[in-house]
Amino acid sequence: GDSVTQMEGPVTLSEEAFLTINCTYTATGYPSLFWYVQYPGEGLQLLLKATKADDKGSNKGFEATYRKETTSFHLEKGSVQVSDSAVYFCALSPAGDDKIIFGKGTRLHILP
Amino acid sequence: KAGVTQTPRYLIKTRGQQVTLSCSPISGHRSVSWYQQTPGQGLQFLFEYFSETQRNKGNFPGRFSGRQFSNSRSEMNVSTLELGDSALYLCASSSGLGLSYNEQFFGPGTRLTVL
Repeated sequence: GDSVTQMEGPVTLSEEAFLTINCTYTATGYPSLFWYVQYPGEGLQLLLKATKADDKGSNKGFEATYRKETTSFHLEKGSVQVSDSAVYFCALSPAGDDKIIFGKGTRLHILP
Repeated sequence: KAGVTQTPRYLIKTRGQQVTLSCSPISGHRSVSWYQQTPGQGLQFLFEYFSETQRNKGNFPGRFSGRQFSNSRSEMNVSTLELGDSALYLCASSSGLGLSYNEQFFGPGTRLTVL
């Protein structure tokens, strides 16, 4: 079945460091891909998405590119801030479906 | 515009009891989905409703059920609670079908503890 695998955390970085959180997926056809973020004590928020191969989603300095050939959707940010500390979820929605399949989440700690 | 609201926010039940959780979607949204979040299994899809019809269901036992009302509000029910049902239950709404075009907005969740 469809699934998402993302790097396990926690990931601890210093402020202004470069961030990469790896995500790969297994799915038939062309799913839509998402990154969600969950700040402490809050619900999930959509961070960015990409709906077709080679699309790049971006928001708040974060970027991820839909790579069909490597079935990947890695999240990157050039310079992280303390306020980026949260749990990040990679997810997919199968083509023609409205459910979301989530990865296990990666907890990110940014040190000042 | 008010966001997705879920009630209650916290709930404590004992094994064998049943529980009903409520979700009010964003005004105008007709699709409501439910997810279970646990430390071990992560976020898992429960079911999705659109215009009072269940469109999709995840791999959960029949003890988990839901419904949607004509005003798009949704409830989920868990009968004969087990310890493993302790989780954060998240509701999400979107304006239409097709997540390529319609964003799902999540509520803050209901934290259910089963003793």
